[in-house]
Amino acid sequence: EAQVTQNPRYLITVTGKKLTVTCSQNMNHEYMSWYRQDPGLGLRQIYYSMNVEVTDKGDVPEGYKVSRKEKRNFPLILESPSPNQTSLYFCASSLSTGLSYEQYFGPGTRLTVT
Amino acid sequence: EDQVTQSPEALRLQEGESSSLNCSYTVSGLRGLFWYRQDPGKGPEFLFTLYSAGEEKEKERLKATLTKKESFLHITAPKPEDSATYLCAVVSGLQGAQKLVFGQGTRLTINP
Repeated sequence: EAQVTQNPRYLITVTGKKLTVTCSQNMNHEYMSWYRQDPGLGLRQIYYSMNVEVTDKGDVPEGYKVSRKEKRNFPLILESPSPNQTSLYFCASSLSTGLSYEQYFGPGTRLTVT
Repeated sequence: EDQVTQSPEALRLQEGESSSLNCSYTVSGLRGLFWYRQDPGKGPEFLFTLYSAGEEKEKERLKATLTKKESFLHITAPKPEDSATYLCAVVSGLQGAQKLVFGQGTRLTINP
């Protein structure tokens, strides 16, 4: 089954404790992206990647890091999480940076930073 | 700065009562407009992509249209299972770059 998977689905952590949220897709997609979703602010793009070793900032990249060493994986790293990073996070992928391809979203990771 | 505004924020309809959702956008060089459906606690599900003014796409009870300033998602004779948040997003920018900007969504409730 074609899908985007994220782990963990739920995470509660404390300020300053480094964490990684994994994202994997099994569709051989070139493009992958991370979003956060907050009430009243909607979905905002954090980082995106057009292919292996090619990443770029979205609208809200501060406090986050990403890497794309393999085509299928695009982990999101929070080196020193803070409470304002409490949010619902989504990973997405699509076949190409061309617009004729839909973006598939993962199930989401709900992160709470205390 | 690219902006996407959706209205209304929330809409309640009776089953069978048709209506439209609006997505207004301000972008420099629109490359495409997307509509997604999102159920509570789940990731957005792709519905449509529109590329140019005048374009229309349909899927079951949904029809999306695009003008130079806005897009509409028309819902005909909706059913309770159409209840969800509907998101609009645009892509703009230089060739080879892709940055998706979302609106805040319209929360649609269809009462039986």
